[in-house]
Amino acid sequence: EDQVTQSPEALRLQEGESSSLNCSYTVSGLRGLFWYRQDPGKGPEFLFTLYSAGEEKEKERLKATLTKKESFLHITAPKPEDSATYLCAVQGVYNFNKFYFGSGTKLNVKP
Amino acid sequence: GAGVSQSPSNKVTEKGKDVELRCDPISGHTALYWYRQSLGQGLEFLIYFQGNSAPDKSGLPSDRFSAERTGGSVSTLTIQRTQQEDSAVYLCASSLVSSTDTQYFGPGTRLTVL
Repeated sequence: EDQVTQSPEALRLQEGESSSLNCSYTVSGLRGLFWYRQDPGKGPEFLFTLYSAGEEKEKERLKATLTKKESFLHITAPKPEDSATYLCAVQGVYNFNKFYFGSGTKLNVKP
Repeated sequence: GAGVSQSPSNKVTEKGKDVELRCDPISGHTALYWYRQSLGQGLEFLIYFQGNSAPDKSGLPSDRFSAERTGGSVSTLTIQRTQQEDSAVYLCASSLVSSTDTQYFGPGTRLTVL
């Protein structure tokens, strides 16, 4: 069965301390891997879609990368406003109407 | 423009009662999704609509759960004879044409079953 595992479950960083979040996946043919940001009490907000191994996407302090088995969300010099839960999801080619989400990494950036 | 809206934002009900949750997608979006997010868990896919039809109902947890969409717009998720394990945040998302497009999520409905 298609599956997504995110680590760590929680991450505390000092402002300016760069780090990476991991998303490991198993899927029978990857159509796309998605990163979302979710703030407390709100729905997830789309960040990136990655389609093939080796692909990278950047947005401000965030950079997402993809290999055949995992994706990383690199956060460079984070600020307190980057504090949120980051969710990863995959979509397979054989049932692309269905998205499998990980349980997220809760990031807390201290000033 | 307006985003995806959901109502109510919070719903407290007693075990055994029926509840209806509503989703208003972004205007013009033909694809609509329902997800469930339990405490500390990832989003669990429930159902996908393309227009008014649901080609994939495989995620509905039991026959107590049903959903419909009318006029290619508003969708209602109904849970009959609610159980305590149904307590969760129910999220709706819409995308422009199909499941290949970016999903935009609503704020969710927090359901508590006492």
